[in-house]
Amino acid sequence: GAVVSQHPSWVICKSGTSVKIECRSLDFQATTMFWYRQFPKQSLMLMATSNEGSKATYEQGVEKDKFLINHASLTLSTLTVTSAHPEDSSFYICSAQGQAVNPEDYGYTFGSGTRLTVV
Amino acid sequence: ILNVEQSPQSLHVQEGDSTNFTCSFPSSNFYALHWYRWETAKSPEALFVMTLNGDEKKKGRISATLNTKEGYSYLYIKGSQPEDSATYLCAFGNEKLTFGTGTRLTIIP
Repeated sequence: GAVVSQHPSWVICKSGTSVKIECRSLDFQATTMFWYRQFPKQSLMLMATSNEGSKATYEQGVEKDKFLINHASLTLSTLTVTSAHPEDSSFYICSAQGQAVNPEDYGYTFGSGTRLTVV
Repeated sequence: ILNVEQSPQSLHVQEGDSTNFTCSFPSSNFYALHWYRWETAKSPEALFVMTLNGDEKKKGRISATLNTKEGYSYLYIKGSQPEDSATYLCAFGNEKLTFGTGTRLTIIP
């Protein structure tokens, strides 16, 4: 089946530095990538939606200058948390929508997530 | 803001017993209801996508029902096994999904 590889699985960084999270679709072309964030005991919250080759669309309350999303190819999307602060510590996960997946599930394939801790 | 609620938050079930849990969602402007199974340190795995009121889907020992008029879906697991231990998420929507907080299921051997 369809696989999305997400790296790193966890990262610890110092406050003020930037962190890049990558999601790669391994056996299909991800035309759309969704980026979610999950705080403890809360649900997955959509941050932004990106389509290959175009600017990402951010949900209300998500700072586009802080969370930079690049979807330059059909197999790679990246989320960069710029000037990270402790309040950005969270679980980040991507979900790709493509074509070569089971139509019944609308082609949503998730990565395994990244646990970010900012100290 | 769409509100998707799942209950219970957590559940312990004896191996071999059957169980079920609930996902509640807005009954207006329904498009689709997704169920995912999420094991720790793994990717959420799609179980079902349900679109029709009254629909029932089955995959092995797991099945789900949908009532779009009253805004709920049930997930059933028959004859629970230890490998069923996971968090079960439901999500509502079209392309942009709104997720519940999940039901964390633990099967006791």
